[in-house]
Amino acid sequence: DAGVTQSPTHLIKTRGQQVTLRCSPKSGHDTVSWYQQALGQGPQFIFQYYEEEERQRGNFPDRFSGHQFPNYSSELNVNALLLGDSALYLCASSVDRGNTEAFFGQGTRLTVV
Amino acid sequence: DQQVKQNSPSLSVQEGRISILNCDYTNSMFDYFLWYKKYPAEGPTFLISISSIKDKNEDGRFTVFLNKSAKHLSLHIVPSQPGDSAVYFCAAPYPTGANSKLTFGKGITLSVRP
Repeated sequence: DAGVTQSPTHLIKTRGQQVTLRCSPKSGHDTVSWYQQALGQGPQFIFQYYEEEERQRGNFPDRFSGHQFPNYSSELNVNALLLGDSALYLCASSVDRGNTEAFFGQGTRLTVV
Repeated sequence: DQQVKQNSPSLSVQEGRISILNCDYTNSMFDYFLWYKKYPAEGPTFLISISSIKDKNEDGRFTVFLNKSAKHLSLHIVPSQPGDSAVYFCAAPYPTGANSKLTFGKGITLSVRP
């Protein structure tokens, strides 16, 4: 079992550009959540996808958008990048039943210059 | 407004001794809590959880205690090992259910000295 995999692991973008991050959930998981972890902070919830729809959203601007595909994989898109978007972006997958914990990928380190 | 607070950013303990990591929360609707451990260049990994119907949950060397009236929980690691050196996050899902969005604290960096 490969667990949650994210790509790329590192990325450098210029302010104003757009970026797409990708996530494959753990086998058997149908729910994907995205988190942003700034330096010295805990992960902050961006949004969650289930059945290809955004189910919950945190306090992030519309520049942050996502998608979930029929195979449960997911993308996070960020438009008009700001320097403050530099962070570790974490994908977490889980099963939409019961009280199960989320499994995290290793993250994508995004640097905006 | 930080609903989950880990006020001590770091903790250093001697190998073999007890590590106690504290976490406070402000949202009285939280009724399930998780601890995650994070090594550098890796994602957080689930460690242990506790439901509000309990005041204690044990898993090997790890025990989590919950004091609902004080809105406080703590993670005890006994005995501490050098491999336990990592960042520990306290988190709470809301609405109820571990599949809900997680609210994390800022984390505590634990260093276990050999």
